[in-house]
Amino acid sequence: EDKVVQSPLSLVVHEGDTVTLNCSYEVTNFRSLLWYKQEKKAPTFLFMLTSSGIEKKSGRLSSILDKKELSSILNITATQTGDSAIYLCAVTTDSWGKLQFGAGTQVVVTP
Amino acid sequence: SQTIHQWPATLVQPVGSPLSLECTVEGTSNPNLYWYRQAAGRGLQLLFYSIGIDQISSEVPQNLSASRPQDRQFILSSKKLLLSDSGFYLCAWSLDANSYNEQFFGPGTRLTVL
Repeated sequence: EDKVVQSPLSLVVHEGDTVTLNCSYEVTNFRSLLWYKQEKKAPTFLFMLTSSGIEKKSGRLSSILDKKELSSILNITATQTGDSAIYLCAVTTDSWGKLQFGAGTQVVVTP
Repeated sequence: SQTIHQWPATLVQPVGSPLSLECTVEGTSNPNLYWYRQAAGRGLQLLFYSIGIDQISSEVPQNLSASRPQDRQFILSSKKLLLSDSGFYLCAWSLDANSYNEQFFGPGTRLTVL
């Protein structure tokens, strides 16, 4: 059975801290790994990773995939209160693009 | 640009009542469409996906059904709601049948079954 596991489940940090979120997967036919940020409602897309070792960056957020370790990390530097959200990791394993999600990591950034 | 709409935003229904949630996409044609459910404090579970009109696949056995009567319209239904159907329902779309396209989510419907 395919699995996507995120850690930690939740964390609380102070503004300015750096956060590292983990996502590991055990799937039969890996195609891509995606990160989403979910605040109150709809998840918003952050990154899609298909190749190992290539870092993707967007402002203070960055992510990298390690296919050998079957995992990915999402880094947030110089955190702000607006980074408070649930961060979701998902993996696609077929040509229809169906996403299998992890349980998410809830990040709380305190002033 | 593409947009995705869902309604209603919130819904409170009694056990045993029917359900109809609607999702529409604008600004693209022949999208892949998906229904997910998110239980409180948990990740998203894929319920249905569709690659075209009247082409629906179910991912998990459940009390729900889906239909796609038009290219950019996806409907989630139930004849009789159960308490366990409560949750946050999200519709998503992606460009055709290519797993290297990210999915974009609608604003969601929060369903409470009492």
